[in-house]
Amino acid sequence: NAGVTQTPKFQVLKTGQSMTLQCAQDMNHEYMSWYRQDPGMGLRLIHYSVGAGITDQGEVPNGYNVSRSTTEDFPLRLLSAAPSQTSVYFCASSQAAVYEQYFGPGTRLTVT
Amino acid sequence: DAKTTQPPSMDCAEGRAANLPCNHSTISGNEYVYWYRQIHSQGPQYIIHGLKNNETNEMASLIITEDRKSSTLILPHATLRDTAVYYCIVDSGNTPLVFGKGTRLSVIA
Repeated sequence: NAGVTQTPKFQVLKTGQSMTLQCAQDMNHEYMSWYRQDPGMGLRLIHYSVGAGITDQGEVPNGYNVSRSTTEDFPLRLLSAAPSQTSVYFCASSQAAVYEQYFGPGTRLTVT
Repeated sequence: DAKTTQPPSMDCAEGRAANLPCNHSTISGNEYVYWYRQIHSQGPQYIIHGLKNNETNEMASLIITEDRKSSTLILPHATLRDTAVYYCIVDSGNTPLVFGKGTRLSVIA
């Protein structure tokens, strides 16, 4: 199993550009989520999904969209990038909410 | 509102046991205690979780007080590779975990 994969690893955007961060898992997990981590801070939940077709907002959802059309994929879309979105983004999956979460390696995004 | 309180940093000598405390005085009966760690800039790694009983696995032991208001994560023989930020999280398991700032553990040779 590859586990949780994220692409790209690094990305630089200009203010106002849009892009999609990709996340995929091959463990047939129902739960998937996106977090962001700013320098020296803990992780903050952006959006999550409890299964295909179901998504919900976390702590900091503004400026981000998600969809879950398949069990495997959970892309995160930045609609109009802002410097405040400069961060490291982690995707995670788990069999169910009470089980351990598996995290991807992260995407390091810089918005100039 | 933060559900857990952890010291911001701790040091531990290599080879000694690292005991990381966590206070969760408002924990509900259906909430689990989870521990994760994050080494440098990697994604967080699951360590252990428990509800009422003490738990042990190949990585660590989790000791939960009888009133469940606090817990301790024990790394029995800390190595330099255990230097990381350790997160204690309380959650019912109905939604994804909410991470606080954790404890930065430095293992010193």
